[in-house]
Amino acid sequence: GENVEQHPSTLSVQEGDSAVIKCTYSDSASNYFPWYKQELGKGPQLIIDIRSNVGEKKDQRIAVTLNKTAKHFSLHITETQPEDSAVYFCAATLSNTGNQFYFGTGTSLTVIP
Amino acid sequence: SQTIHQWPATLVQPVGSPLSLECTVEGTSNPNLYWYRQAAGRGLQLLFYSVGIGQISSEVPQNLSASRPQDRQFILSSKKLLLSDSGFYLCAWRGPADTQYFGPGTRLTVL
Repeated sequence: GENVEQHPSTLSVQEGDSAVIKCTYSDSASNYFPWYKQELGKGPQLIIDIRSNVGEKKDQRIAVTLNKTAKHFSLHITETQPEDSAVYFCAATLSNTGNQFYFGTGTSLTVIP
Repeated sequence: SQTIHQWPATLVQPVGSPLSLECTVEGTSNPNLYWYRQAAGRGLQLLFYSVGIGQISSEVPQNLSASRPQDRQFILSSKKLLLSDSGFYLCAWRGPADTQYFGPGTRLTVL
């Protein structure tokens, strides 16, 4: 089955700096890669996703890149703000099926004011 | 728009007591439904998923069970809770566009 690894497990950045979180996956058949943000005591919220036919996607300060050959994808947050502090999870799955999502182990991001 | 509800929000139960957590989805039909458990400071562990009424797949052997009595209702149960069942339980649904949305979660403490 699919195996998703996520690094780093913790990340601290100064406000205004950029943050990068990286994930690798093992199953080349996976073709949908979402990223979630989880604030303390809440359910994870989808922040951005990417499909395997696209190499990069941006939404304001957030971007995701995908390298299918190397089987890794990354989340980039620019101009970080204190409210970006949360746990971030990556995931991989095969679309259009009843298959499960395979999640990374999470990255705890702290933005220091 | 789609909405996912979970209740209760928090629950404190003694060891050996039964459990019933409920999840309902509004604004969609025939969703794939999922139950996850998250231990403190840990990742997401898939417990069960369902692709339709009465269809349940179990990912982790345990004393928990799941049922889907209606299209948009997913229930997590236990006959006798263990201390190790404590955690944050999340229900999620997957729509036709693949995106998986999570509910607000239930914090379960077993004493």
